[in-house]
Amino acid sequence: DIQMTQSPSSLSASVGDRVTITCRASQGISNYLAWYQQKPGKVPKLLIYAASTLQSGVPSRFSGSGSGTDFTLTISSLQPEDVATYYCQKYNSALWTFGQGTKVEIK
Amino acid sequence: QVQLVQSGAEVKKPGSSVKVSCKASGGTFSSYTISWVRQAPGQGLEWMGRIIPILGIANYAQKFQGRVTITADKSTSTAYMELSSLRSEDTAVYYCGRGITTKPLDYWGQGTLVTVSS
Repeated sequence: DIQMTQSPSSLSASVGDRVTITCRASQGISNYLAWYQQKPGKVPKLLIYAASTLQSGVPSRFSGSGSGTDFTLTISSLQPEDVATYYCQKYNSALWTFGQGTKVEIK
Repeated sequence: QVQLVQSGAEVKKPGSSVKVSCKASGGTFSSYTISWVRQAPGQGLEWMGRIIPILGIANYAQKFQGRVTITADKSTSTAYMELSSLRSEDTAVYYCGRGITTKPLDYWGQGTLVTVSS
């Protein structure tokens, strides 16, 4: 099975900071990579799919990049409402896998 | 607008089974996939499996093979996830989610808490 490894597991940044989360696949998955945001006590929300395509309604400060095995989620200017846990997910085959999550907090 | 509505919370004994439903409205049920994802208390998301209703074919994560069964009833636009041989570690919120060709999980159900306790 392909494993998805996110880093860091948590981070603390100031409002307005640029935040980067990485996700590495143990084998190549082309661009079949999605990012989700889950706020405390809420249902996960799709942010990005196909590695870099922004889901409708998601603020443009979120962006994704990468292909193959290495992927990045970037928040260009962190806002208080971005406090959440972020998950990557691979969906290149019949079997899907989530990363372990990255918790983002405000410093 | 697609909406996924799940069945209510369940309390089960160890060794028993639970069946959670996920009723879809909006869109064409047969044209998308339904996945099941669980989240234990304080833990991350765990993909369990998915079904393609138009084909009736389900795929399962290796961890749950032999213990989970995902089905779909096209006539009622409802998907089901049944987990057997429950143990305390299966206590979690179980979510269903819709996928289409280009997007894995763009709509989610509200979640169903399953508590396994003697």
